[in-house]
Amino acid sequence: GESVGLHLPTLSVQEGDNSIINCAYSNSASDYFIWYKQESGKGPQFIIDIRSNMDKRQGQRVTVLLNKTVKHLSLQIAATQPGDSAVYFCAENRGTGGFKTIFGAGTRLFVKA
Amino acid sequence: DAGVTQSPTHLIKTRGQHVTLRCSPISGHKSVSWYQQVLGQGPQFIFQYYEKEERGRGNFPDRFSARQFPNYSSELNVNALLLGDSALYLCASSLGLAGEETQYFGPGTRLLVL
Repeated sequence: GESVGLHLPTLSVQEGDNSIINCAYSNSASDYFIWYKQESGKGPQFIIDIRSNMDKRQGQRVTVLLNKTVKHLSLQIAATQPGDSAVYFCAENRGTGGFKTIFGAGTRLFVKA
Repeated sequence: DAGVTQSPTHLIKTRGQHVTLRCSPISGHKSVSWYQQVLGQGPQFIFQYYEKEERGRGNFPDRFSARQFPNYSSELNVNALLLGDSALYLCASSLGLAGEETQYFGPGTRLLVL
């Protein structure tokens, strides 16, 4: 079935480097995408979102890129810090047939000091 | 301001029993969604309620049901519990429909079925 997937299950980066987490989606009709961060024992925390009428959106140290042609989403974290260590999920919102939010399996980010 | 709250935080049940999980949304939020997160996986969408009506349903059996109350709080009910229902159950609230608005998650209820 349709799904939102992630290219890498784990990512290890050096403190201070930039991190890039990738995500593929399969439903071209989806129009709203979100990145979440989940730390151990906590619920997902909203990071940044983007709608399908945009290609790029920037937040504080984070940037989300959306490539609708190849149905690809990425999260860039600048100057990665130890506190960024967590599991990152992309999520896709679909409005057809009733609203659904579809999460990917997640990428675990390790930040090495 | 209080975020999304869920109760209980942890719960242990045996197979065949019934469970009710509760969620209070952020003040002013009218939509509540429920998710199941099995260890090592992403959250799986169960239900969305908006203005007390079901507005979305995931691929879960009829043993799962939910409702939203006039104060926008919500309950998730699971009947005839199976071992596979052991998971973290997350509630998220949003101002409007989750497909259009940012969702904010609670800490979850961890359910263990023995």
